[in-house]
Amino acid sequence: GNSVTQMEGPVTLSEEAFLTINCTYTATGYPSLFWYVQYPGEGLQLLLKATKADDKGSNKGFEATYRKETTSFHLEKGSVQVSDSAVYFCALSRGSGGYQKVTFGTGTKLQVIP
Amino acid sequence: NAGVMQNPRHLVRRRGQEARLRCSPMKGHSHVYWYRQLPEEGLKFMVYLQKENIIDESGMPKERFSAEFPKEGPSILRIQQVVRGDSAAYFCASSPGGGHNYEQYFGPGTRLTVT
Repeated sequence: GNSVTQMEGPVTLSEEAFLTINCTYTATGYPSLFWYVQYPGEGLQLLLKATKADDKGSNKGFEATYRKETTSFHLEKGSVQVSDSAVYFCALSRGSGGYQKVTFGTGTKLQVIP
Repeated sequence: NAGVMQNPRHLVRRRGQEARLRCSPMKGHSHVYWYRQLPEEGLKFMVYLQKENIIDESGMPKERFSAEFPKEGPSILRIQQVVRGDSAAYFCASSPGGGHNYEQYFGPGTRLTVT
């Protein structure tokens, strides 16, 4: 079946540091890949997505590239801010019966300190 | 445009009681998904509903759990005779369509604690 593996947290960085959160996946065919972010007390928000190999999703300074050869979708940001502190979820979706079924990783908590 | 709303945000039940979780999708959305997040785990798909229809309940436990999305009113996830293992965060998401290109918008979740 489909699965997503992402690095365990928590990840603690100083402000302006470089961020990488690793994510690899297992799926048949060509899934779409996502990063969601969850701020404390809130629901998940879509951060970025990529729908085919070599696509790069980007938003708010974050980016991730869909790498089919390594089945990876690592999240990066060049300079993190305190406001980026949240839990980040990698996810994939595969069409099933006309709708998308989303499979999530376990989440990586990021804490950015001033 | 209000987002997906879930209530209650926190729910405490004793073992054997019933839990009812409500989800109001975004305006114009007729597709609802329920996910469960157990402690230290990712979100797991439970059920997908359209108005008045259950499309896919493959992720829902066969016993004690049920879901509905009536023509009027919110979607309800119902857990009968709760046990400690049901303690989790339950998230609802909605989308305007069910196809591959439709983003799912998530609610803030209901945190169920079974004592």
